[in-house]
Amino acid sequence: AQTVTQSQPEMSVQEAETVTLSCTYDTSENNYYLFWYKQPPSRQMILVIRQEAYKQQNATENRFSVNFQKAAKSFSLKISDSQLGDTAMYFCAFMRTGGGADGLTFGKGTHLIIQP
Amino acid sequence: DVKVTQSSRYLVKRTGEKVFLECVQDMDHENMFWYRQDPGLGLRLIYFSYDVKMKEKGDIPEGYSVSREKKERFSLILESASTNQTSMYLCASSLSPDYNSPLHFGNGTRLTVT
Repeated sequence: AQTVTQSQPEMSVQEAETVTLSCTYDTSENNYYLFWYKQPPSRQMILVIRQEAYKQQNATENRFSVNFQKAAKSFSLKISDSQLGDTAMYFCAFMRTGGGADGLTFGKGTHLIIQP
Repeated sequence: DVKVTQSSRYLVKRTGEKVFLECVQDMDHENMFWYRQDPGLGLRLIYFSYDVKMKEKGDIPEGYSVSREKKERFSLILESASTNQTSMYLCASSLSPDYNSPLHFGNGTRLTVT
C-alpha cells in the first residue's frame, strides 16, 4: 500500500507572496497519478492540479504549479501571488492505476492561511 | 459541471439511531466513494462502489454499510450510531472505470451523534 505524507500541518503567508506546500509519497508502483485538492472554508473539495507520473513536465494551472520529482517521490505545490481566496486545507493525493478501494490515498492535509 | 449532492449539510442524531446519508451525482459516473474527514487524520475511505450493487471496503468500514441500487445514488448507513462516528462525511464520484480520473466531491455532511 502507498502512503502520502504532508509534513506541514499549517502554514501562513502574506498576500501576494509565493508559498510551497510539500508532499512526499511512498510506493512501489511505476505508473500513477498525483493530485492536489483544495478545501476552502465552504467545505467543497475541488481539484487544483493533476500530474501523471509518466510525464516529466511539471503541471501548471495559472498561479498553481507543481515540482514533481519522481525519483525522490516528491510532489510539492507552489502557489504564486497568493490571494486571500487561497486560504484553505490542501490535500495531496496519490492514485495508482488499476484502482480499487486502496487505489487512492490522501495525505493528512496542510492548512494554508493567507494573511492580508 | 459535475454536481455531487449530499442530502444534508448538518445532521444531529442520538446514540443507537440508524442514520442514512444520501449522495447523488448527475454525471453518470461509475465510481462513488464515502470518506470520513477528521482533524489531523485527513480523509479516510469508508466504502467505495465501482458499479450498481458493487462495493469494496475501505480503510474504516466498521460500523458502516452502503447501498447502491441506482448508478447515481450511493447511500452510507450507520446501523447504530455511536458518538465516535461524529465527524464530517464526504461523498465523491469519478468517471473512469480505470479509476484514474479525479474525484468530484459533495459539500459534506457534518454529523453529530449525541
